[in-house]
Amino acid sequence: GENVEQHPSTLSVQEGDSAVIKCTYSDSASNYFPWYKQELGKRPQLIIDIRSNVGEKKDQRIAVTLNKTAKHFSLHITETQPEDSAVYFCAASDTGGFKTIFGAGTRLFVKA
Amino acid sequence: SQTIHQWPATLVQPVGSPLSLECTVEGTSNPNLYWYRQAAGRGLQLLFYSVGIGQISSEVPQNLSASRPQDRQFILSSKKLLLSDSGFYLCASRTGAANEKLFFGSGTQLSVL
Repeated sequence: GENVEQHPSTLSVQEGDSAVIKCTYSDSASNYFPWYKQELGKRPQLIIDIRSNVGEKKDQRIAVTLNKTAKHFSLHITETQPEDSAVYFCAASDTGGFKTIFGAGTRLFVKA
Repeated sequence: SQTIHQWPATLVQPVGSPLSLECTVEGTSNPNLYWYRQAAGRGLQLLFYSVGIGQISSEVPQNLSASRPQDRQFILSSKKLLLSDSGFYLCASRTGAANEKLFFGSGTQLSVL
């Protein structure tokens, strides 16, 4: 089955700097890659997603890139703000779209 | 959009006691339903998923079970809780189409003492 590895587990940046979180997946048939943000004690919420027919997608300060050949995908947050502090999860969805497998999460701290 | 109702929000149970967590979904029909567990400081582990009434797939062998008695109702149960069952349990829903995003419930924080 699918396995998703996520790095780093913790990331601390200064406000205004960029943050990059990287993930790899094992199942070459996976074709949907969402990113979720989870604030302390709350439910995960989708912030951006990318499908396998696209190499990059951007939404304001957030961008995601996908390298299908290498089975890598990354989340880029520019001009970070304290409210970006949260746990971020990458995920990969299998070809049937039935299961979404999550990475272990990255705890992002943005220091003011 | 979908709304996931999950209760209770917090639960403290003794070891060996039974468990029943319920999740109901509004705003969609024939959803795929999921139970995830998040241990403290850990990622989201898929426990069960269901593509229809009475259809349950288990991802991790354990003393938990799931049932789907109605299209938009998903129940997580245990006959006897273990200390290792403690965690944050999240119900999630997805429309039947492939690759649609997951909507999560607000979660249940379970502490087994």
